[in-house]
Amino acid sequence: KQEVTQIPAALSVPEGENLVLNCSFTDSAIYNLQWFRQDPGKGLTSLLLIQSSQREQTSGRLNASLDKSSGRSTLYIAASQPGDSATYLCAANYGQNFVFGPGTRLSVLP
Amino acid sequence: DGGITQSPKYLFRKEGQNVTLSCEQNLNHDAMYWYRQDPGQGLRLIYYSQIVNDFQKGDIAEGYSVSREKKESFPLTVTSAQKNPTAFYLCASSPHPWGGGNQPQHFGDGTRLSIL
Repeated sequence: KQEVTQIPAALSVPEGENLVLNCSFTDSAIYNLQWFRQDPGKGLTSLLLIQSSQREQTSGRLNASLDKSSGRSTLYIAASQPGDSATYLCAANYGQNFVFGPGTRLSVLP
Repeated sequence: DGGITQSPKYLFRKEGQNVTLSCEQNLNHDAMYWYRQDPGQGLRLIYYSQIVNDFQKGDIAEGYSVSREKKESFPLTVTSAQKNPTAFYLCASSPHPWGGGNQPQHFGDGTRLSIL
């Protein structure tokens, strides 16, 4: 069964810290992996999409890496800010379905 | 601006009642999706449509129905057969089915459905 897990479930850090969010997927035959941000009561906003042939993608203070062989992806957030507080979800694209993780709820304290 | 519009934002259902959630997109995307989100769980796929007049069941289609009569519209009906409908419902679209061409999915802001 294709499953995606995310660790930790919740994270609270002081402003300015660098942090890493983890995503694991059981089936490595992915087309791509996508990281999303979700604010309370809102939809998902795409942050980064890593194709299966890529190792990482960067956008501003965000960097996502992908290791297909080990079934892992990480989202690195540099110099965190209170505005980064949200839930971060990863999704593995298997070509006929997306499998979403449950998310990591991030709080960045001023 | 292009995007996905879901309405209403909040919806209440009485016992035995069918309710319809609206999803409209002006992105000219071929594919549209409906997901259900429950606390502490990932999104689960209800239905998806790759093209007008075609749709397929997802993992949890029982108690739900959809139509795709127009490219820009993909309404979801929660029927009385769905015994646990309380959840956050998200509509999404992508240029090609299942991210073909590695295009990300775009999401609406969701509809929160509750039981009266």
